[in-house]
Amino acid sequence: QVQLQESGPGLVKPSETLSLTCAVSGYSISSGYYWGWIRQPPGKGLEWIGSIYHSGSTYYNPSLKSRVTISVDTSKNQFSLKLSSVTAADTAVYYCARLENTAMVFDYWGQGTLVTVSS
Amino acid sequence: EIVLTQSPGTLSLSPGERATLSCRASQSVSSSYLAWYQQKPGQAPRLLIYGASSRATGIPDRFSGSGSGTDFTLTISRLEPEDFAVYYCQQYGSSHTFGQGTKLEIK
Repeated sequence: QVQLQESGPGLVKPSETLSLTCAVSGYSISSGYYWGWIRQPPGKGLEWIGSIYHSGSTYYNPSLKSRVTISVDTSKNQFSLKLSSVTAADTAVYYCARLENTAMVFDYWGQGTLVTVSS
Repeated sequence: EIVLTQSPGTLSLSPGERATLSCRASQSVSSSYLAWYQQKPGQAPRLLIYGASSRATGIPDRFSGSGSGTDFTLTISRLEPEDFAVYYCQQYGSSHTFGQGTKLEIK
């Protein structure tokens, strides 16, 4: 069974960089599939942030592209998100997920982690 | 970017009733890349439907999806108590976008 677990600071100061890691178990990232990050501000809908292939190929939400970096570490079977110059609008629950790349759907999700941007 | 608009925003129904949720795209979406998710409070979304009409693994057959082009529908034939949740549609074009969600609440 594929499992994903997000980790990282729950509080980030404005203008700083948000950093999260997603540890994958039950499946080797090197075997394939894209992997992605999605966020959900409190009480609001879902927003896709970006996705990465095991080779390191990435694609990002155009509205966030200038601030986002997603990377993969196949030796640790994990991938990471960095979001720079954060503001209060970046406060959200951040989910990592596996992207099934035939139907291009997110079929396995982590439980999510709340990141608050505040001084 | 393709914008997905879901309606209604909130749907109030009773267990046993039929639910019909709509997802309209700002431009044509490939049926292969239209999905539906269910989200309950405090939980991650769960994939229900992919390819507009295929049920994901373990999803009961009371859930069905249909549509093409710019208009897609999620139907729940007979509502069970555990079906009351928020539902999102999602598409992939050159990027992924989600609808704003429909809240299905108990009447």
